[in-house]
Amino acid sequence: GAGVSQTPSNKVTEKGKYVELRCDPISGHTALYWYRQSLGQGPEFLIYFQGTGAADDSGLPNDRFFAVRPEGSVSTLKIQRTERGDSAVYLCASSSGSEETQYFGPGTRLLVL
Amino acid sequence: SQQGEEDPQALSIQEGENATMNCSYKTSINNLQWYRQNSGRGLVHLILIRSNEREKHSGRLRVTLDTSKKSSSLLITASRAADTASYFCAPRFSGSRLTFGEGTQLTVNP
Repeated sequence: GAGVSQTPSNKVTEKGKYVELRCDPISGHTALYWYRQSLGQGPEFLIYFQGTGAADDSGLPNDRFFAVRPEGSVSTLKIQRTERGDSAVYLCASSSGSEETQYFGPGTRLLVL
Repeated sequence: SQQGEEDPQALSIQEGENATMNCSYKTSINNLQWYRQNSGRGLVHLILIRSNEREKHSGRLRVTLDTSKKSSSLLITASRAADTASYFCAPRFSGSRLTFGEGTQLTVNP
């Protein structure tokens, strides 16, 4: 079946702008995760949804970052007042349960100029 | 902080040779997952090993887990040029997040 998809694949924006990144998880997966990966580093956890609710948002770096999953499927990561340091690849993953394999999407490469 | 740490940071071998990558962590885990990543984009899941398991196989891959030493290893046998990638271990501690180290960059030379 279809894997995790993310849009856009690339996003270039200017400092101070607002961006939204979208994630479509594998159908039926109740758990959804956002990670961020900087060049040369491993992915860093941002937030985890179980169903519609954020079960763990302790990885969000500050209040400019927010994520929603209103119907328990698609999720949107929102970044306000973007900064150059936000430039990274944003990865989404989903799993059938909180203890199961996490399947990753191809990522959105965000560049803040 | 809690995370897996891969060793070595970089590994270069010839096609046909075996490649072994190691992962260490500091606190008890629920499971540990290994991933491969090409060109800095999406991660491909390789194997999940649970804390009560000691060894798992998948094709040319063998993963071991030693919870007493808090370590895991990934063995790729009969390597191919297409195995060239970054490999990450991701322990799952309490909670659901995965914690990644910086990975091992494997280069398989034809």
